[in-house]
Amino acid sequence: ILNVEQSPQSLHVQEGDSTNFTCSFPSSNFYALHWYRWETAKSPEALFVMTLNGDEKKKGRISATLNTKEGYSYLYIKGSQPEDSATYLCAFMNYGGSQGNLIFGKGTKLSVKP
Amino acid sequence: IAGITQAPTSQILAAGRRMTLRCTQDMRHNAMYWYRQDLGLGLRLIHYSNTAGTTGKGEVPDGYSVSRANTDDFPLTLASAVPSQTSVYFCASKPGQGFNYGYTFGSGTRLTVV
Repeated sequence: ILNVEQSPQSLHVQEGDSTNFTCSFPSSNFYALHWYRWETAKSPEALFVMTLNGDEKKKGRISATLNTKEGYSYLYIKGSQPEDSATYLCAFMNYGGSQGNLIFGKGTKLSVKP
Repeated sequence: IAGITQAPTSQILAAGRRMTLRCTQDMRHNAMYWYRQDLGLGLRLIHYSNTAGTTGKGEVPDGYSVSRANTDDFPLTLASAVPSQTSVYFCASKPGQGFNYGYTFGSGTRLTVV
């Protein structure tokens, strides 16, 4: 069974703090790693899709890195704002075991206090 | 509409009844997916379709069936609902089988089986 682990499960920070989360996934037969942002009462929205070892992606204050050899990705938020409060999901895709479909982690729930 | 439309938004269903959750997209995406979201378990794949006319089983397919008669529609049917199928169901899509595409999600259907 393929497993995607995210840590921490939840995080409370003050406005202005920078923070980061971890996503761990099986390193064999890697295909792609996705990050999604999921606000309460809404549906998940794609942030990044990363496919190459060493990939770094950035969107505003949010960035992500990828290490496929050791099987982890980091998501960074610089200068957190209350509107960043959401659950951040990572999802992994590999050849074979996941049939080319995404396997999701349980998410990291971020709360940013003003 | 733009994106994915799911219906109904929510439903209370008596155990043993048959129910079809509807999912329609207007983006001409080839691949479509059904996930269920349960507290503490994250998003789990029920069924998927890589293109019209084809379907496949995901991680938790038992008790569910799907069809993909055309590109736009991907209904999920519960033949005889049971309380363990109480969940929030999300439909998703992406343009093709390639790994560079993020998923687009619908707004979800909250189903309660009593």
